[in-house]
Amino acid sequence: AQSVTQLDSQVPVFEEAPVELRCNYSSSVSVYLFWYVQYPNQGLQLLLKYLSGSTLVKGINGFEAEFNKSQTSFHLRKPSVHISDTAEYFCAVTQSGGYNKLIFGAGTRLAVHP
Amino acid sequence: EAGVAQSPRYKIIEKRQSVAFWCNPISGHATLYWYQQILGQGPKLLIQFQNNGVVDDSQLPKDRFSAERLKGVDSTLKIQPAKLEDSAVYLCASSLAPRGQETQYFGPGTRLLVL
Repeated sequence: AQSVTQLDSQVPVFEEAPVELRCNYSSSVSVYLFWYVQYPNQGLQLLLKYLSGSTLVKGINGFEAEFNKSQTSFHLRKPSVHISDTAEYFCAVTQSGGYNKLIFGAGTRLAVHP
Repeated sequence: EAGVAQSPRYKIIEKRQSVAFWCNPISGHATLYWYQQILGQGPKLLIQFQNNGVVDDSQLPKDRFSAERLKGVDSTLKIQPAKLEDSAVYLCASSLAPRGQETQYFGPGTRLLVL
């Protein structure tokens, strides 16, 4: 079975500052990793995903994430945030070769302040 | 391309009543998912369909929840009778196939409040 831990429930940051949202996972098998964003009263939107290959993955809206197998982490970063990045961010994992059952973390609320 | 559609967007009912949610996936997507998102938590998979067959319903409370996907397109999720702890957002998602690398596309969700 897989599990996901998002280490910070809330992250406040000033506009134009860098941000890192932390995600650790647990699994006894190979996994695929995802980051989704949820804006208020909307569904989830995919930011990026890691399937294989390069451990640095670039996504939409200037976000990127790095897969670290030894530390079982998949942290999300952005070098300069905007007010519009204020949202809930979810890290998720699914078993590679499985039936695409996503296991989500509890989420991190990113609050960008002017 | 139209996204995943869900209705209603909001629903308020009293405990022990029944309620149904509807989902229309992206055209051509064979796999459909229903998730429950309780406030302050990440979404939890309730049931996954491949066409009109069930792939995984291990976390569906089958004594009160039911779901169907007739003709392999639209799907309905029903709760009967509802309990207070069923208050949550119910998200529908779809993907081209059930493979792990496929992106799941989510609808806006139905927010349910049980009083």
